[in-house]
Amino acid sequence: GESVGLHLPTLSVQEGDNSIINCAYSNSASDYFIWYKQESGKGPQFIIDIRSNMDKRQGQRVTVLLNKTVKHLSLQIAATQPGDSAVYFCAENIEGGKLIFGQGTELSVKP
Amino acid sequence: DAMVIQNPRYQVTQFGKPVTLSCSQTLNHNVMYWYQQKSSQAPKLLFHYYDKDFNNEADTPDNFQSRRPNTSFCFLDIRSPGLGDAAMYLCATSEQQETQYFGPGTRLLVL
Repeated sequence: GESVGLHLPTLSVQEGDNSIINCAYSNSASDYFIWYKQESGKGPQFIIDIRSNMDKRQGQRVTVLLNKTVKHLSLQIAATQPGDSAVYFCAENIEGGKLIFGQGTELSVKP
Repeated sequence: DAMVIQNPRYQVTQFGKPVTLSCSQTLNHNVMYWYQQKSSQAPKLLFHYYDKDFNNEADTPDNFQSRRPNTSFCFLDIRSPGLGDAAMYLCATSEQQETQYFGPGTRLLVL
């Protein structure tokens, strides 16, 4: 079946370094992707999104890259801070507005 | 200001005792979703309301029901909770098929 998956389940980075979280998707018809951050005991929080007519989108300290050729999505976090520690999910917004989530990557930031 | 509100944040129930979780929103979004999330897993969609139209996922057990009396409120009813139903329950809203915004979740414990 169609799915969205992550390459790395855990990522540990030093405070101040840049983080890159990757995601692969299989539904080539999908045209809208979202990254969520979920801290322990909380609901997923919207970070940034991108539509398939774009390759790159930037927010505050975050950048999402979309490579439709290889069906790959990445989230880059600049100057990672301890408050960035969380589980990050990519999600594919498919027909009907449903979200297909990736498995999640746990980001741990070392001070 | 909270936009998607879930009550209670923690709910303890007994095996087989019906329980209701509630969700309200101040966004006036027309779509409301209920997800189940177990430890270290991605959220799993149970069902959603598109306006007043109820849409059940094929693999959602009959034990789970939902009500949406008006635009702002949506309820999740678990008729006979089993030990396997212990999880975080997340409510989300969206306008049409756009970005979903999540509430803080209700953690359900079944004794």
